[in-house]
Amino acid sequence: GAVVSQHPSRVICKSGTSVKIECRSLDFQATTMFWYRQFPKQSLMLMATSNEGSKATYEQGVEKDKFLINHASLTLSTLTVTSAHPEDSSFYICSARDPPETQYFGPGTRLLVL
Amino acid sequence: GENVEQHPSTLSVQEGDSAVIKCTYSDSASNYFPWYKQELGKGPQLIIDIRSNVGEKKDQRIAVTLNKTAKHFSLHITETQPEDSAVYFCAASMVTGNQFYFGTGTSLTVIP
Repeated sequence: GAVVSQHPSRVICKSGTSVKIECRSLDFQATTMFWYRQFPKQSLMLMATSNEGSKATYEQGVEKDKFLINHASLTLSTLTVTSAHPEDSSFYICSARDPPETQYFGPGTRLLVL
Repeated sequence: GENVEQHPSTLSVQEGDSAVIKCTYSDSASNYFPWYKQELGKGPQLIIDIRSNVGEKKDQRIAVTLNKTAKHFSLHITETQPEDSAVYFCAASMVTGNQFYFGTGTSLTVIP
């Protein structure tokens, strides 16, 4: 299957700082990427849909000013958690759509905000 | 919108036995149904998928069946091995749509 990478795999930061997470599709071009958040022992919660060259579409209840998404190329999408707080600590996972419908997931990023 | 239910939430089987996980969906427009395996601390990995024009698909020890009329689909794992232990998620979407609707997950434990 196709490969999606995420960087960093884990990050620890102080409250109030910003953290950027990168998601790359390594062997295919993805016009659409997705960002999910996953709490322990729960399913994946879609945060936003990222379309190359246009603004991301955020799910209800997700603050777009707090979770900035940029999809500047067909192989890269970034999620920036701005002014992170302890409640933002979570497992963040991206996926990339390999047309027409298959989604391949990255390995995830564990964020811990102190 | 689409609602996907998944059962059971936990499943324990003896090594070598079969495991079956079932999902139901509500939107008859859904026509793509992938299954993902997620190991602890890792991202979900696509293990098999099926489209609505097919009733069954098999890949070695893994098979998926789809009943469009009843709006349910199932994952079958035969000859289970300890390395099959993980959380499995089903999902439903429309081929032309973007969003996946995920089930709540099944934690499978294969006892050696």
